[in-house]
Amino acid sequence: EAGVAQSPRYKIIEKRQSVAFWCNPISGHATLYWYQQILGQGPKLLIQFQNNGVVDDSQLPKDRFSAERLKGVDSTLKIQPAKLEDSAVYLCASSLEPGFHSGSRNTQYFGPGTRLTVL
Amino acid sequence: DQQVKQNSPSLSVQEGRISILNCDYTNSMFDYFLWYKKYPAEGPTFLISISSIKDKNEDGRFTVFLNKSAKHLSLHIVPSQPGDSAVYFCAASAGSQGNLIFGKGTKLSVKP
Repeated sequence: EAGVAQSPRYKIIEKRQSVAFWCNPISGHATLYWYQQILGQGPKLLIQFQNNGVVDDSQLPKDRFSAERLKGVDSTLKIQPAKLEDSAVYLCASSLEPGFHSGSRNTQYFGPGTRLTVL
Repeated sequence: DQQVKQNSPSLSVQEGRISILNCDYTNSMFDYFLWYKKYPAEGPTFLISISSIKDKNEDGRFTVFLNKSAKHLSLHIVPSQPGDSAVYFCAASAGSQGNLIFGKGTKLSVKP
């Protein structure tokens, strides 16, 4: 079974530029998550999708970050304009179902991440 | 304010010995706890979890213990193997639909 795919793996941009990340979840997974992991920290949830609808985007800086999952499969996360503090690894994860009540169906599988450096 | 704390940034253990990784939390609403393992340049991988209705969960060499009164959980790896060398993240969630809150991670090094 193929895992969660992300691209690009690395991106270097200058502040005020825009950038987009792409994620392809595991086939059949309805729930998709984007996390931001700053160096030395744990991952922090930015946005959660259930199929093509947003479940939680309370921690997404909506003045500069946007995300979509138009057909309920692939997703893109965009930053426009980027700031120095956006330098981080952006992780995408997917699960069959949301929540944590029923074992393996809720397990979040992570992609390898995109390392963003903003200069 | 950090709700999930992993106070040891690193831990070094000899192969074959026990590794004990600790995690403390502050939110009494947390009712589900997970451990993830992360190798360099890879995403985190789910390792083991425990519900707040239990105090122990075991899966092969990995056991998680939960002490609700102390708001503390620990991951035991016995015996430790060099392939266990990775960063281990503790995570917690409140409610069945709650989001995962991660700690900062502990880097485990298992020396042959």
